[in-house]
Amino acid sequence: AQSVTQPDIHITVSEGASLELRCNYSYGATPYLFWYVQSPGQGLQLLLKYFSGDTLVQGIKGFEAEFKRSQSSFNLRKPSVHWSDAAEYFCAVRSSNTGKLIFGQGTTLQVKP
Amino acid sequence: ETGVTQSPTHLIKTRGQQVTLRCSSQSGHNTVSWYQQALGQGPQFIFQYYREEENGRGNFPPRFSGLQFPNYSSELNVNALELDDSALYLCASSFTANTGELFFGEGSRLTVL
Repeated sequence: AQSVTQPDIHITVSEGASLELRCNYSYGATPYLFWYVQSPGQGLQLLLKYFSGDTLVQGIKGFEAEFKRSQSSFNLRKPSVHWSDAAEYFCAVRSSNTGKLIFGQGTTLQVKP
Repeated sequence: ETGVTQSPTHLIKTRGQQVTLRCSSQSGHNTVSWYQQALGQGPQFIFQYYREEENGRGNFPPRFSGLQFPNYSSELNVNALELDDSALYLCASSFTANTGELFFGEGSRLTVL
């Protein structure tokens, strides 16, 4: 069955520090992968997506993610975190059968001043 | 361009009651999906509607039902509410049925007492 695992429930980083959020997926074919961000009381906003091609994808707000097939991973990175990046981050894989998204449990990012 | 809008934003019901949540899709989108997000969890797929037909369903009981209208807006109905139905219900629209690029509304927060 398709699944997504985000090993880190909660991460705290200092403002200006680099960030990496981990995501591992289980999927039989080439996956379509996504990262979404959710601020408190808000809906989900798409940060970036990977369908095919270059395995390093750029997104909004200075985020990037790298698809590594050998590790079944799609980790999200940002070189320098801003206080406004504090939010919940969700990795997701698209089901090939229904088009639905399967989400991980999410990682809460806290940014220290 | 109008984004995805949901109503109501918050509501409180008691066990056994019925609830209807509404969603207006983004302009030009013909597909609407509904997700349930329990506290501290990632969103779980409920179902998807494409051109007024159900086009995929997650692991939810039949008391969760939906509709899509000719203007592609949608309703989610939940009968015989249970305490575990307390969650944030997210509506998402997309340009086609199989694209994973979903645009989410801010959700309807349902509390069942």
